[in-house]
Amino acid sequence: EPEVTQTPSHQVTQMGQEVILRCVPISNHLYFYWYRQILGQKVEFLVSFYNNEISEKSEIFDDQFSVERPDGSNFTLKIRSTKLEDSAMYFCASSESPDRGNQPQHFGDGTRLSIL
Amino acid sequence: GESVGLHLPTLSVQEGDNSIINCAYSNSASDYFIWYKQESGKGPQFIIDIRSNMDKRQGQRVTVLLNKTVKHLSLQIAATQPGDSAVYFCAENNNYGQNFVFGPGTRLSVLP
Repeated sequence: EPEVTQTPSHQVTQMGQEVILRCVPISNHLYFYWYRQILGQKVEFLVSFYNNEISEKSEIFDDQFSVERPDGSNFTLKIRSTKLEDSAMYFCASSESPDRGNQPQHFGDGTRLSIL
Repeated sequence: GESVGLHLPTLSVQEGDNSIINCAYSNSASDYFIWYKQESGKGPQFIIDIRSNMDKRQGQRVTVLLNKTVKHLSLQIAATQPGDSAVYFCAENNNYGQNFVFGPGTRLSVLP
């Protein structure tokens, strides 16, 4: 079964440094998402991306965050100047086009980001 | 406001019994719902979905019930197995595939 893959599985970064989290969505999917999950808390939406642009973002997704689809397969999340509170699991998800109605989002296994 | 915390509600069931996990959602405009299972160290795994024009949907060993009147969703797992132990999240959506809102989760523990 096709799956969403994320790299690295664990990223340790000094506060103030830039970090890039990488994702390869399922190949025939057209919508891409980033979510985060702070330890012990619920999954929170960050951003959705379609047709090479952001289609929706949450309050969490401030100017420190950016997303990019640099080629036909990768989808990245960049945090420009990391803060301690950015420590969390970051999940990438993808879904087929919603033209036929809502479609389930399929998640990768996440990148654990630890800010020191 | 949102409720967050380090201690998830926990449901403990005997192996072989049926499990019922409940979820209250807040947005009456939500029209699509998903149950996800999250095992330790893994991402949320799709279990079953339901649209608001239905009140029940069945999968393999799982059933989702939707009560729009009281904004309540439940997941029933038949003949619960040790592999069902995980945290279960409901997620709601109201704008065609974007921005799912996740519930706080319930930890299911299956006792031998």
